[in-house]
Amino acid sequence: DAEITQSPRHKITETGRQVTLACHQTWNHNNMFWYRQDLGHGLRLIHYSYGVQDTNKGEVSDGYSVSRSNTEDLPLTLESAASSQTSVYFCASSRDRDLTEAFFGQGTRLTVV
Amino acid sequence: GENVEQHPSTLSVQEGDSAVIKCTYSDSASNYFPWYKQELGKRPQLIIDIRSNVGEKKDQRIAVTLNKTAKHFSLHITETQPEDSAVYFCAASNSGGSNYKLTFGKGTLLTVNP
Repeated sequence: DAEITQSPRHKITETGRQVTLACHQTWNHNNMFWYRQDLGHGLRLIHYSYGVQDTNKGEVSDGYSVSRSNTEDLPLTLESAASSQTSVYFCASSRDRDLTEAFFGQGTRLTVV
Repeated sequence: GENVEQHPSTLSVQEGDSAVIKCTYSDSASNYFPWYKQELGKRPQLIIDIRSNVGEKKDQRIAVTLNKTAKHFSLHITETQPEDSAVYFCAASNSGGSNYKLTFGKGTLLTVNP
């Protein structure tokens, strides 16, 4: 069955380290999104991509970057991890422009110490 | 950009009662409004959605209503059950437009007491 998977599920890293969170989908969806979830803030968009080689900044993009070299993957990189980036990160994907089939990954809990 | 406000942030009801969660949005170009349910420790999952050309949509015990003029939409859950306990998120998007992405509300923690 098609799915969207994130790895790792849990990660502890030190302040200042570079961290990459993986997101892989087998739906063949063009659209992929990264959100962070924090208590009291809901789901906030970090970066998104409408297709290969396309990336866009969301509302909380500072300190994060993404690249889209193929349809299946959208890795999220924290250039220099900060304690404020401790959060649960969700990747999502959807089919084309209608967004009616947006599926979320299982989430990655990142702790920056 | 789009801004979505969601109320209440917490809601506690007795089993069998109805629950209503309300959201407002700011961008009049938004035309797609999904609702997601997130159980503790799980991923958000789509439960129902509505497009701007429809005023109401039902799926068994859940329904969503949309008032485009007032720019608000609501989730209605009837005959609530303990398994309805979860965090519910509303979202809005300009689906099909040049900049389509989901903007979420902050969520409502629904607790259904047996």
